[in-house]
Amino acid sequence: GQNIDQPTEMTATEGAIVQINCTYQTSGFNGLFWYQQHAGEAPTFLSYNVLDGLEEKGRFSSFLSRSKGYSYLLLKELQMKDSASYLCAVTDSNYQLIWGAGTKLIIKP
Amino acid sequence: DAMVIQNPRYQVTQFGKPVTLSCSQTLNHNVMYWYQQKSSQAPKLLFHYYDKDFNNEADTPDNFQSRRPNTSFCFLDIRSPGLGDAAMYLCATSRRTGDVETQYFGPGTRLLVL
Repeated sequence: GQNIDQPTEMTATEGAIVQINCTYQTSGFNGLFWYQQHAGEAPTFLSYNVLDGLEEKGRFSSFLSRSKGYSYLLLKELQMKDSASYLCAVTDSNYQLIWGAGTKLIIKP
Repeated sequence: DAMVIQNPRYQVTQFGKPVTLSCSQTLNHNVMYWYQQKSSQAPKLLFHYYDKDFNNEADTPDNFQSRRPNTSFCFLDIRSPGLGDAAMYLCATSRRTGDVETQYFGPGTRLLVL
């Protein structure tokens, strides 16, 4: 079967750095997405990785290792508004998007 | 601004009373999706349209139907809502070009079944 694993919940301190991990087992791979979802709102696109390595976009970076079936989202200089769920999603060989359940990130002052 | 719009944002219906949720987009994307998302769960794909081609997920109940009268609009019909259908319904769009296909979401409609 196809599976995406992420921690259910993480807590971090304002101003700090946090890394949210995602591991996947899918039938084929055509890219990995990270989305941010605030409570009661729709997911918003953060990043896309299809090649191994680190993609940096401001305070957010996303890393991919295809051989390990692993990605992480790195958030720097955490702000209170970063409190949200972060969803990892993988496009499989049929270009279907397989979603993780999301990691709820709690930021404390 | 180009965007995905969903109406209404909140919908209350009675058990068994048909309800229709709507989605429109100004992105001119050729693919539109309907997802169901329950609290602390991953979005669950119900179906999608690739242009006019309808693609139903195998485990989507027959109670859920969809219509796409034109490129811009897509509707989700729930024929006889049950208590278990209370959820957030998300509409998303993407442009399928054979390359990267990023999905962009509307704000969602939260459905409450009484």
